[in-house]
Parts: sequence; structure tokens; C-alpha cells
Amino acid sequence: QVQLVESGGGVVQPGGSLRLSCAASGFTFSSYGMHWVRQAPGKGLEWVAFIRYDGSNKYYADSVKGRFTISRDNSKNTLYLQMNSLRAEDTAVYYCAKDPGVTTSWFDPWGQGTLVTVSS
Amino acid sequence: SYVLTQPPSVSVAPGKTARITCGGNNIGSKSVHWYQQKPGQAPVLVIYYDSDRPSGIPERFSGSNSGNTATLTISRVEAGDEADYYCQVWDSSSDHRGYWVFGGGTKLTVL
Repeated sequence: QVQLVESGGGVVQPGGSLRLSCAASGFTFSSYGMHWVRQAPGKGLEWVAFIRYDGSNKYYADSVKGRFTISRDNSKNTLYLQMNSLRAEDTAVYYCAKDPGVTTSWFDPWGQGTLVTVSS
Repeated sequence: SYVLTQPPSVSVAPGKTARITCGGNNIGSKSVHWYQQKPGQAPVLVIYYDSDRPSGIPERFSGSNSGNTATLTISRVEAGDEADYYCQVWDSSSDHRGYWVFGGGTKLTVL
């Protein structure tokens, strides 16, 4: 079955950096786009970034553009999110999710999430 | 950017029907997807393409979309349906912002 496992979360000071990983299994990773979605404590869901199956196109939410970079290594079945210049408002659970590969797409399935806390 | 509006909360008695709305400008022209999120868990897709159910999702879950409102309907509500529900669309507007948009979420309480 499809499985997504995030890692790399933790506590980081404002202005610091962190790299999240998402290990994928159970499907042909190199054939599907992937997303990062986050959820601040007690808040709703916010889409963060998307990368096409081959890494040729990347899209970002305005709130993270210029600070976050999404990437993937299809040889390792792994998705990444490099987060720089972190702010308190970036504190959230970060989920990776699979894209179905069609226009007007959705997120399915989701990983269990990894918590990022930005605090001094 | 495109905005999706959901009621913060909906309450329903067990065995009754719950309806959760998702409002957006001409949302009927878009495909709407719905997620269920229980406390401490990741979201789960329950409806895609307005009204399609992924495998494993009970037939009690259904969806519709027309005009400026999409609706998630849960029939014969059970205690286990208590959760937060989010609607989502893919926004292809010309300013290329907010490609994937979520509603603010609705907390479903089973009385």
C-alpha cells in the first residue's frame, strides 16, 4: 500500500533552517507529483509547495516563496522541503501528500506529519 | 486569490444527516474535494471530483456542487464521524496564486 513517512522536524530558532524529508513507498514515486501541506497548531490546512513528477516545475504558496525549496530524488523515492529564514508563523505540522496526476488535483494519501517549531 | 468559506461548526444527532457547506465564487465550475481529519491524525480524502468516493469510504458520504456552494453530506451519522472536514479546490486563476486552496474547516460534532 502507499506509504509516506515524513522526518526532519524539530525546534529551530527564528532565522534558522531545516530540511524535511518524505520517504515514499508502495507506488511508482517517479510518476507522480508531490506536495507539502502544513497545519499550524489549532488551525486549518495550508498548501505549501508542489513539485512535478520529474522535478521540472515547482510551485509555492506566497507565504513561503523565496524561503522554501521543494525538491525530490527519484532514485531514493524521497521528497524534500528545504526551509530557510524560518519565522514563528512557520510553526506547524508539515505533511507530504501524493498528487493523483490529473488537473484539478487533490491530495491522497497523506503522511503522518512532522512538527516544526520555530522559537527562540 | 480564491477563497473558500466553511461554517466553523456543525452539530448533528446520531442517525441524522449532516450537511457541511463550502462557499466560493462560482465554485460549481470547479472540482471540489473533501477531507476528514480526526484529532491527532492526518487528513483523509473522503470525496473527490465533487461526488466521487475513494475506495474504503462509506456510501454514507456524498457530495454535490452547484452555483456558489459545494456540500458534503453525511447520512446516518455515527459517533466516529466526529472530526474536522475541509473542502479544497485547485485554482487556475490568471494571477497564478494559491494554486491549491483549502476552506477554513468545519468541526462536526455528534451530539
